[in-house]
Amino acid sequence: EVVLTQSPATLSLSPGERATLSCRASQSISRFLAWYQQKPGQAPRLLIYDASERAADIPARFSGSGSGTEFTLTITSLEPEDFAVYYCQQRTYWPPLTFGGGTKVEIK
Amino acid sequence: HLLESGGGLVQPGGSLTLSCGASGFTFSQDAMTWVRQAPGQGLEWVSSISATGGSTYYADSVKGRFTISRDNFKNTFYLHMTSLSAEDTAIYYCAKDSGRWGDFDYWGQGTLVTVSS
Repeated sequence: EVVLTQSPATLSLSPGERATLSCRASQSISRFLAWYQQKPGQAPRLLIYDASERAADIPARFSGSGSGTEFTLTITSLEPEDFAVYYCQQRTYWPPLTFGGGTKVEIK
Repeated sequence: HLLESGGGLVQPGGSLTLSCGASGFTFSQDAMTWVRQAPGQGLEWVSSISATGGSTYYADSVKGRFTISRDNFKNTFYLHMTSLSAEDTAIYYCAKDSGRWGDFDYWGQGTLVTVSS
């Protein structure tokens, strides 16, 4: 099973600041990693797939990078609606599909 | 696009069947998945089914207890859950595969399953 470790668990930032979220895989997963955003009381929303491809209707301030075991989600300038929990998920080796534990981006 | 139903309160050891109705896309061409989220916790993949229904996959935590199925004529897929325990208490989301086999571009709003006596 591929274990995904996200860091930090919580990121406290102000609107307009840059957010950098990390996801580390327990073994190489090539580029088959996705990022999701989840707001309280809502379903997850796909942001990034295949490490760096933005999903439909996702603003350009969201970008992904990485390959192998190290991946990053960057939000260049936080908008008020970006404060949420972010999950990474791999699809290279499954079952099982696995998610990271999440990073909460909160308002400082 | 995706609407879950069937959640509710069930006693330990009981059974429940969740449904997910789909609209707005060609349901029979897409694999579908159930993902759950225990209260205050992260996301956990539960089960997936191929577009034709010929292939099914389960997390170890539910294997032998849950059964995924689909009816492409009704644009609906299901999760039949048996031998439920408190550890199965969660919001259950249905999700549509993106076509890349293993990530999900549309999600339902979720249905809450509570296992308690």
